[in-house]
Amino acid sequence: DAKTTQPPSMDCAEGRAANLPCNHSTISGNEYVYWYRQIHSQGPQYIIHGLKNNETNEMASLIITEDRKSSTLILPHATLRDTAVYYCIVRVAGNTGKLIFGQGTTLQVKP
Amino acid sequence: DTAVSQTPKYLVTQMGNDKSIKCEQNLGHDTMYWYKQDSKKFLKIMFSYNNKELIINETVPNRFSPKSPDKAHLNLHINSLELGDSAVYFCASSSRTGGYEQYFGPGTRLTVT
Repeated sequence: DAKTTQPPSMDCAEGRAANLPCNHSTISGNEYVYWYRQIHSQGPQYIIHGLKNNETNEMASLIITEDRKSSTLILPHATLRDTAVYYCIVRVAGNTGKLIFGQGTTLQVKP
Repeated sequence: DTAVSQTPKYLVTQMGNDKSIKCEQNLGHDTMYWYKQDSKKFLKIMFSYNNKELIINETVPNRFSPKSPDKAHLNLHINSLELGDSAVYFCASSSRTGGYEQYFGPGTRLTVT
């Protein structure tokens, strides 16, 4: 199973873009990168996922490098409500949908 | 309009007791999961069912037994509770045809005394 490496914590000023990096150098060609977040005491929340191309939705953008060994989650205008633990996950190949959560990055958005 | 719901939200019980946690999803998904989040906030998958068939069964003590009566429900029964079972248990669901995005319930905080 491909492992991911994320910085344990980051700060971001409210209203600025938050760029959360993730390394997944052992990712296989058919494995997707998923991002989830967990706001204190709540269940994890799906944000976005991608395979090769950059992706954007109403919550965030996902930039995947050409060699697919790393990615960046971008929250374009961070708010205080975006303070959470952000998990970068490589979904295990196969049809089980299995996710292996790491320690994640604790993002603190400051006023 | 809750998508994934769990009952109870809090569960306090004594060692040795047997307890169940229930999960229901109204998203029409075909796959459901149980996760355990321990005191160090590490989130780990325990089980998964697809259309009532067990497809993920991680290294979990056999005191834990999942049951899926239908696609919309996945229950977790725990026998002979131990102190180390204290954790937050999350249920999630996803669709094999929908990209496997998992939608999580609010969690059940289990405290064993």
